[in-house]
Amino acid sequence: ILNVEQSPQSLHVQEGDSTNFTCSFPSSNFYALHWYRWETAKSPEALFVMTLNGDEKKKGRISATLNTKEGYSYLYIKGSQPEDSATYLCALRSQGNKLVFGAGTILRVKS
Amino acid sequence: GAGVSQSPSNKVTEKGKDVELRCDPISGHTALYWYRQSLGQGLEFLIYFQGNSAPDKSGLPSDRFSAERTGGSVSTLTIQRTQQEDSAVYLCASSHGQGWQFFGPGTRLTVL
Repeated sequence: ILNVEQSPQSLHVQEGDSTNFTCSFPSSNFYALHWYRWETAKSPEALFVMTLNGDEKKKGRISATLNTKEGYSYLYIKGSQPEDSATYLCALRSQGNKLVFGAGTILRVKS
Repeated sequence: GAGVSQSPSNKVTEKGKDVELRCDPISGHTALYWYRQSLGQGLEFLIYFQGNSAPDKSGLPSDRFSAERTGGSVSTLTIQRTQQEDSAVYLCASSHGQGWQFFGPGTRLTVL
């Protein structure tokens, strides 16, 4: 059974701060790791899909790394902006293409 | 093109009533998924349709829950005899094969 844990549960930062959150998983029995951003009253938005150990993705000020041997993925945001405020979800894609989600990290960026 | 749409956006019902939630996936996407997020919980997989294959129903919490996908497009999630613990945000997603899953805005269900 896949288990996904995210930390911290919530995070408050000042505009301009850089921040990172963790997605950890005890088992590497999955096909890919997904990061989503979910803003209030909107649809979850796909950020990255990561498939290889040592994989690193970057999209503007946001980047992510994956270490399947150690069982974690980090999501980094450089120079946080108020519009980055959202819940960030990590999910493992298991057999049958279903996603197993963590509980998410709530980010609030104060201007 | 248009994204995944869901209706209604909000549904309030009384305990014991049946409800139907609708999902219109992205045109051409072969796979469709239902998830839900209960208060304080992470997103939970419910059911997965892929093409003409039998759906993966392994996430449905009880036999009061059922879903169908007509013509390989629109899907309806039905909850019979709703209970208060069914209150949640129900999200639908679609994908092209095993690619990225694109989510709809969800239906917030409140069972009184």
